[in-house]
Amino acid sequence: AQSVSQHNHHVILSEAASLELGCNYSYGGTVNLFWYVQYPGQHLQLLLKYFSGDPLVKGIKGFEAEFIKSKFSFNLRKPSVQWSDTAEYFCAVNDAYNTDKLIFGTGTRLQVFP
Amino acid sequence: EAGVTQFPSHSVIEKGQTVTLRCDPISGHDNLYWYRRVMGKEIKFLLHFVKESKQDESGMPNNRFLAERTGGTYSTLKVQPAELEDSGVYFCASSQSRFGGYTFGSGTRLTVV
Repeated sequence: AQSVSQHNHHVILSEAASLELGCNYSYGGTVNLFWYVQYPGQHLQLLLKYFSGDPLVKGIKGFEAEFIKSKFSFNLRKPSVQWSDTAEYFCAVNDAYNTDKLIFGTGTRLQVFP
Repeated sequence: EAGVTQFPSHSVIEKGQTVTLRCDPISGHDNLYWYRRVMGKEIKFLLHFVKESKQDESGMPNNRFLAERTGGTYSTLKVQPAELEDSGVYFCASSQSRFGGYTFGSGTRLTVV
């Protein structure tokens, strides 16, 4: 069965620090990969997605993620975080051909202090 | 474009009562999805509509949950009777095409006491 692991449950950073959130998935077939973000009091928003092609994907607000197929990983990065990046981040995957049902990780809560 | 709208935003009900959650997708989006997040756990798929038809309801926890999408527009998710373990945040999402990213609503926080 598909599963997604997010290793960091709670991350605390100071502004301007670099960010990397881990995401590993378990699935034998071809997948699509997503990162969603939920800012306090808001809805889940798509940060970026990978379907095929260049494994380095750039998203909104300066975020990027790299798909490493051999490691089943899709880590999210940002070189310099801002206070406004405080939010919960979710990695998700779906089977690229058979279903659009998303399998989510448990989420990582990021707090950025000024 | 208006987003996905869910209401109520919060609902507190007693065990054994009935609650109906509503989702209005983005106009023209044939695909509508329900997900749920129980506190501290991952967001889990409940079901998927294509227009008014249930495409996949494999995530529905039991027969106390009933989802409908009359006329292929808005959808309702009824829980009857509610149990304590049904507490959580219920998300709705819609998309124009399958296999792409969805647009999520803000969710309904359901508390069963």
